[in-house]
Parts: sequence; structure tokens; C-alpha cells
Amino acid sequence: DVKVTQSSRYLVKRTGEKVFLECVQDMDHENMFWYRQDPGLGLRLIYFSYDVKMKEKGDIPEGYSVSREKKERFSLILESASTNQTSMYLCASRPIGGAWGSPLHFGNGTRLTVT
Amino acid sequence: AQKVTQAQTEISVVEKEDVTLDCVYETRDTTYYLFWYKQPPSGELVFLIRRNSFDEQNEISGRYSWNFQKSTSSFNFTITASQVVDSAVYFCALSVPNTNAGKSTFGDGTTLTVKP
Repeated sequence: DVKVTQSSRYLVKRTGEKVFLECVQDMDHENMFWYRQDPGLGLRLIYFSYDVKMKEKGDIPEGYSVSREKKERFSLILESASTNQTSMYLCASRPIGGAWGSPLHFGNGTRLTVT
Repeated sequence: AQKVTQAQTEISVVEKEDVTLDCVYETRDTTYYLFWYKQPPSGELVFLIRRNSFDEQNEISGRYSWNFQKSTSSFNFTITASQVVDSAVYFCALSVPNTNAGKSTFGDGTTLTVKP
């Protein structure tokens, strides 16, 4: 089974801090994604990566950046955390080759609170 | 642009009742995939089913069944004889071709509570 692991389940940070959310997958998937989940808003795509060092903005990239230096790891960075970034963050991956038809494999999520 | 609408925010049923979760989608693409995911209280979204735009055949898997109708742009999910373990948030998603990676658009989710 594909395993997508997010390094932290719960995280509490202060406004203005630089925050790193880490995600690792063990199935050699080319595509990786970061979503945030908020009540009543479903899942919204922040950024995705289709290969090492390759990234593309999703629907709500403002205030975020990403890093993909190795195929298995995809990091989400909050350059200066703000309270409106308090949310559940979900990482997902899937293989290339008919990629858009393959289901996403999700991690357990990181619940980030910015105070 | 793509859009997925799950009009039912919350549904509550008593165990053994049948329940249908609605999903309506919008896309101009003629080729696309539709998905259902389940998110139990533990938080991890789990893939349930996938359908491509050329396959309108309905599917049954145990107590779960799915009805895909292109004429109404709907992809509804029915749980027969619901159980407490079915309590979760259910998401419908749409995926269309993208230059570099398929982007999935999710609905807002339907929270299903099954009471004993």
C-alpha cells in the first residue's frame, strides 16, 4: 500500500513564524499535492509538483511556497504564518501516466493552529 | 473551470437506513474522471471509486453503489443498510487533463452521521 506520511499531526505556531510542513511518500509517485481543508469549503489546492524541482500554483497559493528537492518529499512553507492560515493541511500523491485518472493517496493531515 | 457541488452539508440517519449522497459536477472537458473519497474521524481521505466520462455503467460494491448520469452531470453515491462505521465526511471530486498533472476539484463534502 502507498504510504503518505505527514511529519506532524498537530502544530501550534505564532503569527509571523516561518512554518514547514513535511510530506513523504514511499511509492515513487511523480505527482504530489498540498491541500487545505476548512469547514464548508472542502479541499482547496495550494500547490502541486509534477516532478523534482517542478511546481505549479494551485487555486490558493498566496502566502505559501513549496519545495521538492527529492522525489519522495514535498514541503509546504508558510513564509510568515498568519491566523487565517489556521487549517487542516493534507498532502497527497499519485503516479504519472494517466495521472489525472489515478486516485489520490492522502496523508493523515496536519492540523495547524496559528496564534 | 471545473466545479463540484455537494448540496447536502450534513445527513443523519439511523442504522440500517439507506442513504444517497448527491454530487453534481460542471466541466467543459469531454474527458474527465469522477471520484468518491471517504474521510473518517481519523482524518485520512480514502479512495472509494473512480469513473471516467466514457463509462456510465453503474457500479455496486457490497453495500455501496454509484449512479453516474452524464445527462444530469451527476455522480451519486448510495449506501444501503447503513452502519455506524459509515459515519464520515464523503467527498466527490472531478479530475480533468492538465499539462503537467491532473488537478482534482473537490466538493465541499457531506458529513454523514449514522446513529445506532
